[in-house]
Amino acid sequence: GQQVMQIPQYQHVQEGEDFTTYCNSSTTLSNIQWYKQRPGGHPVFLIQLVKSGEVKKQKRLTFQFGEAKKNSSLHITATQTTDVGTYFCASDQGGSEKLVFGKGTKLTVNP
Amino acid sequence: DTGVSQNPRHKITKRGQNVTFRCDPISEHNRLYWYRQTLGQGPEFLTYFQNEAQLEKSRLLSDRFSAERPKGSFSTLEIQRTEQGDSAMYLCASSLQINEKLFFGSGTQLSVL
Repeated sequence: GQQVMQIPQYQHVQEGEDFTTYCNSSTTLSNIQWYKQRPGGHPVFLIQLVKSGEVKKQKRLTFQFGEAKKNSSLHITATQTTDVGTYFCASDQGGSEKLVFGKGTKLTVNP
Repeated sequence: DTGVSQNPRHKITKRGQNVTFRCDPISEHNRLYWYRQTLGQGPEFLTYFQNEAQLEKSRLLSDRFSAERPKGSFSTLEIQRTEQGDSAMYLCASSLQINEKLFFGSGTQLSVL
């Protein structure tokens, strides 16, 4: 079945550096959602992208959906210690209505 | 809106015992999902409901797992004859409609000894 692959699995940055995580699929996605999970917490919704080539911004976070709707990225500018956590992309599986999550990218920030 | 509530927060059980978890979704949400998450992995889909109807169940889910959502409100997830491999965080989530964002509960951490 369709899966979403995330890279990298881990990313360690110095505070103030930028961070990007990528989500890739072998098939066209109808939409993609991004979630953040803080250590010891539960996933919290960040954003949903639906349109081809869509770009959305939330303060220092920029989300992109590829033109072919097969990939997506999350970019954080000038990371802060509050950005620490695991970032997941998720998408439904074509005709299925369930949301399938990637394995996530764990971000650590050195102050 | 009190969010998605899950009980208990932690459950320690011995192998072979049965356990049951409860999830109370956000009140007006029609859709309810169960996921399982192990350390370093993303949430793994188990099953979901539209109101009281269970619409899909993961093929990876053994027949020891059963979920219900009577009257389309709260849901229970039961695991019979638990095995050590069942140890994980069990997350419940709800959404208003299809393709909308999921609101997750804090999860039930199961440890099977």
